[in-house]
Amino acid sequence: NAGVTQTPKFQVLKTGQSMTLQCAQDMNHEYMSWYRQDPGMGLRLIHYSVGAGITDQGEVPNGYNVSRSTTEDFPLRLLSAAPSQTSVYFCASSYEKGGDTIYFGEGSWLTVV
Amino acid sequence: GDSVTQMEGPVTLSEEAFLTINCTYTATGYPSLFWYVQYPGEGLQLLLKATKADDKGSNKGFEATYRKETTSFHLEKGSVQVSDSAVYFCALSLPNTGRRALTFGSGTRLQVQP
Repeated sequence: NAGVTQTPKFQVLKTGQSMTLQCAQDMNHEYMSWYRQDPGMGLRLIHYSVGAGITDQGEVPNGYNVSRSTTEDFPLRLLSAAPSQTSVYFCASSYEKGGDTIYFGEGSWLTVV
Repeated sequence: GDSVTQMEGPVTLSEEAFLTINCTYTATGYPSLFWYVQYPGEGLQLLLKATKADDKGSNKGFEATYRKETTSFHLEKGSVQVSDSAVYFCALSLPNTGRRALTFGSGTRLQVQP
């Protein structure tokens, strides 16, 4: 019963490098999203998807790309990492018939130096 | 826009003390309300939720009542334990927007001392 799985859990990047945070869910959820968590600011929505092939921007999308080629996977790409992207990233999913409940992964701690 | 305001922490209590964490919201529609908990080094877990006015969500001894007239969803527990030490997030979502996303408060850290 894996739920929402994120990898890697920890990553250190140099400014300007690119990387992809992976997110997979095995619950056949239609909705998936990415949040970032910064001290004193709660979680903020980066990008979201309402189904395979459909993505849209959230509150803080700049510097990030996403795609949703399958129902299960929703990777988050940092194109050119900046120190301002140092944060904890959470992937989340939910399903159409499940009411409003959203399930979170365990988080990915990213440091950009 | 939609927003959630929580009391600032940290909140430090002795074991068996009464807990209240205040949460108020602003929303353009009729939101569902949630409390999530984050234990050290872990992700967020849903603690409780309420989807309409006067609903009371409850779980693990925690309770919160959806108060539309005061736009509040305060979290309470009658007797806290050391194991309740965590960060608590109040959040809202607006159904039927097609987004299924949450707007979070800034979080309140609770420290319970033995």
